Amino acid sequence: DAGVTQSPTHLIKTRGQQVTLRCSPKSGHDTVSWYQQALGQGPQFIFQYYEEEERQRGNFPDRFSGHQFPNYSSELNVNALLLGDSALYLCASSLGPLLRGNTIYFGEGSWLTVV
Amino acid sequence: QQQVKQSPQSLIVQKGGISIINCAYENTAFDYFPWYQQFPGKGPALLIAIRPDVSEKKEGRFTISFNKSAKQFSLHIMDSQPGDSATYFCAASMYGSARQLTFGSGTQLTVLP
Repeated sequence: DAGVTQSPTHLIKTRGQQVTLRCSPKSGHDTVSWYQQALGQGPQFIFQYYEEEERQRGNFPDRFSGHQFPNYSSELNVNALLLGDSALYLCASSLGPLLRGNTIYFGEGSWLTVV
Repeated sequence: QQQVKQSPQSLIVQKGGISIINCAYENTAFDYFPWYQQFPGKGPALLIAIRPDVSEKKEGRFTISFNKSAKQFSLHIMDSQPGDSATYFCAASMYGSARQLTFGSGTQLTVLP
């Protein structure tokens, strides 16, 4: 049973560029959330996708956008990259956005370095 | 009110000892409290989770103690092993928030052999 898979694992971008990160949720899961984890800090919620719509958003600017596909996979896009966007980007999947008993699983993340 | 405060920032324990990590929260609407373990270069992995209708949950060497009135919860790792050396995060979420997790700042645990 494949867990949450993310790609790429590492990438380096220049300030002002755009980046797209990809996530495939755990088999059977239909909800994908994205988190940003700066070095030495806890993950911070960016947004969640369910039924191909953004359902909830954290305190992140519009430069951060996403998409969910019919097969439940998801993309995170960040435009106009800033040095402060350098972080580990984590994808988390679960079954249903509101189910009380659901467990949230994380992928291994995509390390983004902005230079 | 959305914060989860975690302490200590780092913890060194001898092999076989007990590791204790504490978290406190303000938002009484939180109803799910998981603990995650993260190794360097890896994503967080769920260790154990508790809901506020119970005061303690044990899974193997890991125990969560929950004090609803004090709005505090803690992770106890019994018989700590060098393989437990990792960063531990507490988190909280509430129904109606799309189950977004609010994380603590993390505790770096080192278990000495």
